[in-house]
Parts: sequence; C-alpha cells; structure tokens
Amino acid sequence: EAGVAQSPRYKIIEKRQSVAFWCNPISGHATLYWYQQILGQGPKLLIQFQNNGVVDDSQLPKDRFSAERLKGVDSTLKIQPAKLEDSAVYLCASSLTSGPTDTQYFGPGTRLTVL
Amino acid sequence: AQTVTQSQPEMSVQEAETVTLSCTYDTSESNYYLFWYKQPPSRQMILVIRQEAYKQQNATENRFSVNFQKAAKSFSLKISDSQLGDTAMYFCAFMKPTGNQFYFGTGTSLTVIP
Repeated sequence: EAGVAQSPRYKIIEKRQSVAFWCNPISGHATLYWYQQILGQGPKLLIQFQNNGVVDDSQLPKDRFSAERLKGVDSTLKIQPAKLEDSAVYLCASSLTSGPTDTQYFGPGTRLTVL
Repeated sequence: AQTVTQSQPEMSVQEAETVTLSCTYDTSESNYYLFWYKQPPSRQMILVIRQEAYKQQNATENRFSVNFQKAAKSFSLKISDSQLGDTAMYFCAFMKPTGNQFYFGTGTSLTVIP
C-alpha cells in the first residue's frame, strides 16, 4: 500500500512570496489533514477535509493560508504572502474516516524556510 | 482546554536496554484517547500505540507498552529491548472521542546508543 505523498520535500522562499504544497493521500482515505510543525513543537492541525468538504479550519490563518481538495483526493495548501514565522514543516495525513479509532497516516512533510 | 506535557526533551538508552518516556496531560473529559507517535529523522510520523481512557488494561504492541494512570493523568511509554531503529522523536498526543484534533506534546528525542 502506497503511503501519503507530499511535494516538494523542501522549499526556501523570501518573505512576502507565495508557496504551494501538494499532498496525495492513501487511496480510499476520505479524510485528509494538514498540520504545521514548528521546530521544537508537536504538529498543530491547520485544516481537515472529509472528501472535498472542510470539516475544521478553525486554526488556519485564513488571511494568508488557503487549502483545497477539489476532487476529494489530492490537496494543495497555499501561503500567500509568507511570513518569517511560517517557517515550519507542513505535514499531510490521511485516514479512512475521522475520529480517534481511525489511524492517521502521515506523509514525510514539506520543510519550508522563509528568509 | 487540553494540554499535553512531555518533561524530557532528550533521552538516551543503550541498545537492548529498557527506557521509559513520560507524558502527563490535563483534561476535564471523562473519556478520551491517548497516543504515542514516533517521528524518525525522515520525518514520517508513525503511530506506535493507542490507549482508550475507559479501558483499564494498558495497551501493548510488541516491545512497546504503556503505563496509563488515569487518576494521575499520566501516560508513559516503555520501550523494551531498545533497537537502533527506535532512535526518533516521540510525541504523546490526546484526542477527544468525538474529535478530530490531536493535542501533541513537545516531544522527547530518544537516541539508542550501540
């Protein structure tokens, strides 16, 4: 079974530039999550999709972050414009459904450095 | 609000020895789930073990076991017969039964020494 795929693995940009990350979840997984992991901290949920609908985006900084999952499969997360404090690893995870009994499978992450 | 505390930023253990990672949490919920996740240097997080709060029996997965003390709000992870591949960051996490959001601790970096 293929895992969660993410690209790019690394990205370096200047502040105020835009950046986009891509995630391909495990086939058949209806639920997709984006997390932000700042160095020295645990991951923090940014947004959760159930198929192509948003379930929870309460911690997404909507003035600069956006995410979509148009066909209920792949997802993109965009930052526009980026700030220095956005430097982090962005993790994508997927699960069959949502809830604590469904294991979330994580991708390798995209490490973003904002200069 | 839920908080998860891991008070050991770094730990090391000799290969084949046993090590225990500590985790405490704070919640007003009566039922919830607790997790340990492993994040090796490649950064892909992997579920190690899961515990449901209303289950008295401590969860075990091969060399990994937990000591769940509900009254003390403590959830420690014991790794027996440590292997070099156990070197990773370990995160303790909390989730409500109807929730979707993990509350992660700050992690413990474990190094297994050959």
